[in-house]
Amino acid sequence: GAVVSQHPSRVICKSGTSVKIECRSLDFQATTMFWYRQFPKQSLMLMATSNEGSKATYEQGVEKDKFLINHASLTLSTLTVTSAHPEDSSFYICSARDQGERAFFGQGTRLTVV
Amino acid sequence: GENVEQHPSTLSVQEGDSAVIKCTYSDSASNYFPWYKQELGKRPQLIIDIRSNVGEKKDQRIAVTLNKTAKHFSLHITETQPEDSAVYFCAAGVYKLIFGTGTRLQVFP
Repeated sequence: GAVVSQHPSRVICKSGTSVKIECRSLDFQATTMFWYRQFPKQSLMLMATSNEGSKATYEQGVEKDKFLINHASLTLSTLTVTSAHPEDSSFYICSARDQGERAFFGQGTRLTVV
Repeated sequence: GENVEQHPSTLSVQEGDSAVIKCTYSDSASNYFPWYKQELGKRPQLIIDIRSNVGEKKDQRIAVTLNKTAKHFSLHITETQPEDSAVYFCAAGVYKLIFGTGTRLQVFP
């Protein structure tokens, strides 16, 4: 299947700082990528849809100023968690759909805010 | 809004038995229904998918059925093996995917 790469896999940051997470489609172009958040032993909750060259579409209840999304190219989307707080600690994971419209996931990023 | 319900939340079977996981979706516009397997600390892996123009699809020990009228779809795993133990998620959607709550499958030797 298609390859989606996400970095970093783990990050620890101090409260009040910002963290950037990258999601890349390595062998296909993705005009749209999706960002999910997963709490321990829970499902994947869609946060936003990242659209190349335009603004992201956020799901209800997700703060767009808190979770900044940039999709500057057909292979890269970034999620920046701004002014992070301990409650933002979670597993963040991106996905992209290939030309066959199958969705593949990145490795995920475990964010810990201390 | 869109919603996907998944049952059961946990499922324990003996090696060699079959396992069935069921999902119900709310958005009648949904036309794509993938299933993912997620092992602890890893990314979800696509194991099988089905589109709305097909009622059933099979890949070796794994099969998926879809009933669009009832908005139900199910995952069937036959001849289960210990390495099938993981959390399984269903999803439904047109472009963005909404995920079910997950099923923790344990296969005992």
